[in-house]
This record gives sequence, structure tokens and C-alpha cells, in this order.
Amino acid sequence: NAGVTQTPKFQVLKTGQSMTLQCAQDMNHEYMSWYRQDPGMGLRLIHYSVGAGITDQGEVPNGYNVSRSTTEDFPLRLLSAAPSQTSVYFCASTGQREQFFGPGTRLTVL
Amino acid sequence: TQLLEQSPQFLSIQEGENLTVYCNSSSVFSSLQWYRQEPGEGPVLLVTVVTGGEVKKLKRLTFQFGDARKDSSLHITAAQPGDTGLYLCAGESFNKFYFGSGTKLNVKP
Repeated sequence: NAGVTQTPKFQVLKTGQSMTLQCAQDMNHEYMSWYRQDPGMGLRLIHYSVGAGITDQGEVPNGYNVSRSTTEDFPLRLLSAAPSQTSVYFCASTGQREQFFGPGTRLTVL
Repeated sequence: TQLLEQSPQFLSIQEGENLTVYCNSSSVFSSLQWYRQEPGEGPVLLVTVVTGGEVKKLKRLTFQFGDARKDSSLHITAAQPGDTGLYLCAGESFNKFYFGSGTKLNVKP
């Protein structure tokens, strides 16, 4: 039982490049979400999903896309990376009001 | 955006001291959660409070949800170095979770 896994752990991009952050959970939770964490700003919700095929925007969705084709996987896509997207990204899986977080992806955009 | 304000932002105390961290909002939440986060890791849930006025205890940690379900507090008795970390509160509203900016606690031996 791995819980929530995220890959990669670290990534450096150049401005304009695209990439996908992977997130997977093995707890059969319907609700999954993506957050970014910046110094002094806590965690801010980017996108979330209440089940396969259903996604919605959070507080800071611009520049990010998501899809949910299976219950287990919830990838986050950066379409054209910008320095403002330098952050630590956390994926979470929620069951019974308890959020389980992955270990995070530290992204730097140069 | 439903703003959650945490205070203080930073707290540095000696082992054995007591402390209280506050989480305040002008919004009503269905539930409120407290997390602790270690450097380089994701947040880990400590407690969820649901009912206005609810008090929950977890060993030396006491959590309270305000009567109006807009605010919460975390009290730690006889802090230990192992309590060091970033404490985050999060309010739940219509399936979304809104996080405070956190309180960074350092407990010195």
C-alpha cells in the first residue's frame, strides 16, 4: 500500500517547455487534488477531481491542465512553463475528509 | 477565495513551554483540519474538527473549533523538540480545502 506517489521528485525546466507531473494513489479514493506551495503562502489549490472524467478549477488554475481517465491517476500538465510556476507541487487523495499527500515535486523554471 | 489567517507565523520556544496557534477566517467551513509538515515532505493530517465548539485532544495537543465554525486553535502543552515543524490549518467548503499560510514552530532543547 504505497498511498500517494508523485514523480519526478525534482525537475528543472526552461521557460516555454512543457511537462507532466505524475500522481497516483492506491486507496481507491474518488477525490484527488493538486496544490502548489510557495514560501509564506501555504498550499493553494490548482485543480481537483471528484472522480474519473470529472475535473474542476481551484484557486490558481491558469497555466495548468489536468485530466482524470482512471481513479488511480491524476496528472498535472504545464503547457508552457514560466518562472512564476517555480514551486513545490503536492498531489493529495481524499477519503472521509482526510487528505493524504504525496512527497511533492520541486519544480524550478529558469 | 476563502482566506484563512494563521498566527503567529513563526514561534521559537524552549522545551517544556506551552503554546497556542490560531487559525481565523471570516468564512464558515464544514470542517477544519490541522496538519504538520516536515521539511521536504507532504503535510500529514493531525485532526479534523467538524462541530462548532468541538474540542479534540491528541496526547499533548488540544484542538478547538470555534462555535461559529470560522476559527480554530491548536494548543501544545510542554512542547518537545519533536514538535518542531510547520503547522497548517485547512478549512473545507463545498469539497474544496483552503489552507492557511502556516506557523513554523521551533522547539529548542
